[in-house]
Amino acid sequence: AQSVTQPDIHITVSEGASLELRCNYSYGATPYLFWYVQSPGQGLQLLLKYFSGDTLVQGIKGFEAEFKRSQSSFNLRKPSVHWSDAAEYFCASLISNFGNEKLTFGTGTRLTIIP
Amino acid sequence: NAGVMQNPRHLVRRRGQEARLRCSPMKGHSHVYWYRQLPEEGLKFMVYLQKENIIDESGMPKERFSAEFPKEGPSILRIQQVVRGDSAAYFCASSPPRRQGEDTQYFGPGTRLTVL
Repeated sequence: AQSVTQPDIHITVSEGASLELRCNYSYGATPYLFWYVQSPGQGLQLLLKYFSGDTLVQGIKGFEAEFKRSQSSFNLRKPSVHWSDAAEYFCASLISNFGNEKLTFGTGTRLTIIP
Repeated sequence: NAGVMQNPRHLVRRRGQEARLRCSPMKGHSHVYWYRQLPEEGLKFMVYLQKENIIDESGMPKERFSAEFPKEGPSILRIQQVVRGDSAAYFCASSPPRRQGEDTQYFGPGTRLTVL
């Protein structure tokens, strides 16, 4: 069974500082990988996704993520955070197999931005 | 192009009542998924439906919960005889017809169910 681990429950960074949120997946084959962001009381917005090809993926709002097969990781990065980036971030995986389409989510990382 | 729509956004029920949550997928999307988010937790898969078919319900509790996606109209998640433990945010997602390399699910704003 696939699983997704986000080791950091809560991260605090200063506005303008760089950010890296960690995500590890567990599955024999390479799954499809996603990062979603959830603002308080809101739904999930897709930041970026990795299916295949270039291992460095660019997303919206200045985010990027790098897929590293050797480390089973898909960490999210941003060079300079803005106060509006404060939210909950979820990493998710999906095994593309007709009839088995469910996303498996990590437990999330809550990002706090300080001035 | 409207996104995934869910209603109601907030729903309050007393123990023993029924809750009906509705989801209208994005235009052109024929696949619907329901997820549940308990407080301070990530989202957990409940059920995957296509029009008039339940494809995977492995995440649905065995009792009191049911889901449908009729030929016409929205998908419905129905919870009978609600209990306090059903209090959660319920999210619907939709995706277009399957083709390799495009498996992105787009989420609605969620329905926050509170059971008193």
